[in-house]
Amino acid sequence: QVHLVESGGGVVQPGMSLRLSCSASGFTFSSYGMHWVRQAPGKGLEWVAIVFYDGSNKYYGDPVKGRFAISRDNSKNTVDLQMNSLRVEDTAVYYCARGSGSYASAFDFGGQGTMVTVSS
Amino acid sequence: QSVLTQPHSVSGSPGQSVTISCTGTSSDVGGYNLVSWYQQYPGKAPKLMISEVSKRPSGVPDRFSGSKSGNTASLTISGLQAEDEADYFCCSHAGSYTFIFGGGTKLTVL
Repeated sequence: QVHLVESGGGVVQPGMSLRLSCSASGFTFSSYGMHWVRQAPGKGLEWVAIVFYDGSNKYYGDPVKGRFAISRDNSKNTVDLQMNSLRVEDTAVYYCARGSGSYASAFDFGGQGTMVTVSS
Repeated sequence: QSVLTQPHSVSGSPGQSVTISCTGTSSDVGGYNLVSWYQQYPGKAPKLMISEVSKRPSGVPDRFSGSKSGNTASLTISGLQAEDEADYFCCSHAGSYTFIFGGGTKLTVL
């Protein structure tokens, strides 16, 4: 069973940085790509980033490209999201998800997410 | 394209069938058989219901089915039950390991 625990959320001012972390258990972490997906209050889901199973490749959604960085540590079963130059529109619940199937295209959400609020 | 197009809301009575559409372009929905669907209750994390257009993960009732024609994917829920009332989101691969979600559909069971 996929178990994911997101942490690191909080309230920050625009322009500041925040680092989210996701701890995984219940599956062979090093065999799966991992995603971050966010959801602004009352809004839909938005894909943020993916890191390949071995950390070799990373891809980002246009709104966060150049500001956010995804990374993973397969020895600790964790995936992080470094968020820099935060904007008000980055306010959201951030979920990590296991990517399964072809192109890691199916998201297995196993946690409750962590809330990030960007406000002056 | 910023988001895939879904109806804002759909409704049905218990026992009936409902279909939720998800329209994209040839660069996403139409270009890949990599559409997935998620169910989300208020305040909860999303749950995977369908992957790769029509694959149902273990534990998902067979009342849920997926299909695709051209640039439009669909989620059909047959034998509607009260517990199916939730928000539903589609998602498609959009090339180069990027992904795009639909705006979401609120399903009401009358």
